[in-house]
Amino acid sequence: DADVTQTPRNRITKTGKRIMLECSQTKGHDRMYWYRQDPGLGLRLIYYSFDVKDINKGEISDGYSVSRQAQAKFSLSLESAIPNQTALYFCATSDPRGGLYTGELFFGEGSRLTVL
Amino acid sequence: DQQVKQNSPSLSVQEGRISILNCDYTNSMFDYFLWYKKYPAEGPTFLISISSIKDKNEDGRFTVFLNKSAKHLSLHIVPSQPGDSAVYFCAASGVDYGQNFVFGPGTRLSVLP
Repeated sequence: DADVTQTPRNRITKTGKRIMLECSQTKGHDRMYWYRQDPGLGLRLIYYSFDVKDINKGEISDGYSVSRQAQAKFSLSLESAIPNQTALYFCATSDPRGGLYTGELFFGEGSRLTVL
Repeated sequence: DQQVKQNSPSLSVQEGRISILNCDYTNSMFDYFLWYKKYPAEGPTFLISISSIKDKNEDGRFTVFLNKSAKHLSLHIVPSQPGDSAVYFCAASGVDYGQNFVFGPGTRLSVLP
């Protein structure tokens, strides 16, 4: 079983619908992230959470919201989906181990969202 | 404007030869750099990292070189193998980024048998 699990893996929806992407992890890491991948743009950070009570906006948070339900669960919501939110979404975790940088993010397999 | 650039969208190399993937950055405050590898239908996986206090880091067939004055880093894969065919992302971080990472757009490497 994957250490970082995303559901759904694929979703097609219509403009204006509310969508939730879920992420759960068994790595025991405190830090969780949501990234979006678009062709030619790489991975861009949407939101991140360093622990259950800490939620921070990333580079492209407009149109998105998140919920950190537990250490192991971090959900991304699109309240009213629009076509330019069509992308591949990745959840990731990291473990600072007391240092500034872990040097490593552990990614889920991705959730492909299409908004028509 | 992208702060981390990978100007080659794709690269093809013969099996057994060297693959060189390049990455340029614009922010002089970046001080930690990583390379991730991504296969289709999978999430990116960490490959190798380098801190700004070093100019080279090796891990088996993979070596990352950092030229701070040029704001340039490169990933060398020697010898290249067909299983190395993937998209490679360069990522950078620094004090200004709250311990988060800025990713480049990726380079698709194809290693031809």
